[in-house]
Amino acid sequence: DQQVKQNSPSLSVQEGRISILNCDYTNSMFDYFLWYKKYPAEGPTFLISISSIKDKNEDGRFTVFLNKSAKHLSLHIVPSQPGDSAVYFCAASGSGNEKLTFGTGTRLTIIP
Amino acid sequence: DTGVSQNPRHKITKRGQNVTFRCDPISEHNRLYWYRQTLGQGPEFLTYFQNEAQLEKSRLLSDRFSAERPKGSFSTLEIQRTEQGDSAMYLCASSLAGKYEQYFGPGTRLTVT
Repeated sequence: DQQVKQNSPSLSVQEGRISILNCDYTNSMFDYFLWYKKYPAEGPTFLISISSIKDKNEDGRFTVFLNKSAKHLSLHIVPSQPGDSAVYFCAASGSGNEKLTFGTGTRLTIIP
Repeated sequence: DTGVSQNPRHKITKRGQNVTFRCDPISEHNRLYWYRQTLGQGPEFLTYFQNEAQLEKSRLLSDRFSAERPKGSFSTLEIQRTEQGDSAMYLCASSLAGKYEQYFGPGTRLTVT
């Protein structure tokens, strides 16, 4: 049972444009959400997170939006840069449950 | 740099052999996690420690797997009688208690032949 879903395995975006990566979840106990970026042969790198009490969190070029009623979150990257090319994982955690549940990832390719 | 480190980075072993991996977390982090990642999937939780206490184990962690964190610092993950299905990337992460953000090491890639 995939509790965190990233339905787009890949996404290509022109350099300078906005990249939007989507994530859906099914477990209503999740109350904290994180995005990680992964380059080949490296571990995931923490990017940005959001608590369920918020609907938006911004950090530089990265913004995460949370729609609790739809159980949907998205990561916006603007402007996209070639160094953003990587696999992006959405992850979720529930209060009192320390483990992270990950989606299957979206491979983002930024086209120069 | 005092990030999470893992050794070895790569391990090739024959089926039936035992293997042990080591993880050194960020020094001030009291929580340590092990995940496993296979091709095309996200990391899957295996187990976690707070200090030296192992607080949760996934049902993915069969009795051939054992993890320890003897002094609340580094941790080891041992797989006994390896099987081809154990081939995966084994990731370690650490965090501060009460914080959701986990910081990952580079992983140990295990290949069982």
